[in-house]
Amino acid sequence: GNSVTQMEGPVTLSEEAFLTINCTYTATGYPSLFWYVQYPGEGLQLLLKATKADDKGSNKGFEATYRKETTSFHLEKGSVQVSDSAVYFCALTNSGSARQLTFGSGTQLTVLP
Amino acid sequence: DVKVTQSSRYLVKRTGEKVFLECVQDMDHENMFWYRQDPGLGLRLIYFSYDVKMKEKGDIPEGYSVSREKKERFSLILESASTNQTSMYLCASKARDRDTGELFFGEGSRLTVL
Repeated sequence: GNSVTQMEGPVTLSEEAFLTINCTYTATGYPSLFWYVQYPGEGLQLLLKATKADDKGSNKGFEATYRKETTSFHLEKGSVQVSDSAVYFCALTNSGSARQLTFGSGTQLTVLP
Repeated sequence: DVKVTQSSRYLVKRTGEKVFLECVQDMDHENMFWYRQDPGLGLRLIYFSYDVKMKEKGDIPEGYSVSREKKERFSLILESASTNQTSMYLCASKARDRDTGELFFGEGSRLTVL
């Protein structure tokens, strides 16, 4: 079956530091990959996505590249801000139905001023 | 702005009580979902619905039921709440299209069962 493994948190960084949150996956076929973000007190929202190998998703200064050879989709940002403090979820689906959306366990990021 | 609204942000119930969690979306989406979020476990799908009166079990349906009488509303029901159902519950919706990943989430309902 499908599975998503994220680096364990919590992650604490100083403002303007470089961020990497690792995500690796196991799936059959050719999954689509996603990063969702959950800000404090809010629901999840889609941050970025990539639907085929070598695609790069980007949004709000965050980037992730779909690496089929390493089955990875690591999230990166060059300079984090306090407002980036949130929980980040990696997810995948390889079906036409969103029922098969599989989430990782989430990584808590705290950015200190 | 698109919106998924969950009726209660925080609930405290006693063991054995019947609990209703309500979710309404204003985007005319066909698909609606209930997830449970627990630390270290991510999101786990309880039930989903792809149309009015239609439902399918997710990965952890035991102890839960759902109701979808109108397109915009999807209810999660705990017939007899237990302490192991203390959790954050998230409702989500999605249009029936080829973009399978973009779910729109509500803010969550944090349920405590004593």
